[in-house]
Amino acid sequence: GNSVTQMEGPVTLSEEAFLTINCTYTATGYPSLFWYVQYPGEGLQLLLKATKADDKGSNKGFEATYRKETTSFHLEKGSVQVSDSAVYFCALKDSSASKIIFGSGTRLSIRP
Amino acid sequence: SAVISQKPSRDICQRGTSLTIQCQVDSQVTMMFWYRQQPGQSLTLIATANQGSEATYESGFVIDKFPISRPNLTFSTLTVSNMSPEDSSIYLCSVEDWGLRGTYEQYFGPGTRLTVT
Repeated sequence: GNSVTQMEGPVTLSEEAFLTINCTYTATGYPSLFWYVQYPGEGLQLLLKATKADDKGSNKGFEATYRKETTSFHLEKGSVQVSDSAVYFCALKDSSASKIIFGSGTRLSIRP
Repeated sequence: SAVISQKPSRDICQRGTSLTIQCQVDSQVTMMFWYRQQPGQSLTLIATANQGSEATYESGFVIDKFPISRPNLTFSTLTVSNMSPEDSSIYLCSVEDWGLRGTYEQYFGPGTRLTVT
């Protein structure tokens, strides 16, 4: 079945450091891929998405590229801020269904 | 894009009792979903609830334990029945709606934090 595997946390970085959170997936067909973010005390929000191979999703300085050859969708940001501290979830949605499958989540902490 | 509210935001319940969680959306949506997020874990889909039909439950979840109502296109309830401490989780309502990016997207409510003692 479909699944998502993402980098285990917690990840702790200093402000302005480069961020990569790895995510790989297993799916039949051509799923859509997502990164969701959950800030402390808040609900889940869509951060970015990509719907086909080689698409790049971007938002708030974060980027992720849909790599079909490596079945990956790694999240990157060039210079993180304290306000980026949150839990990040990689997820996929099969093209034939509305159900979203989430990875285990990666807690990111940024120190000033 | 949909705005979702949930009631209650949190509750502490005794084992053996039941709790009904309400989900209200500010627009009419066809598909609504209920997820569970156990402490420190990811989100797991409980069921999909479409208006006018029975909810569809995922493997490991049954209607007797998690009955769902979907009386109209803006509202749904999830009941957690005969609770045990293992039911302590955050329960999230989600809807699929037309998003700002020009495609259908899933939006999530703020969640209901349930603690069972």
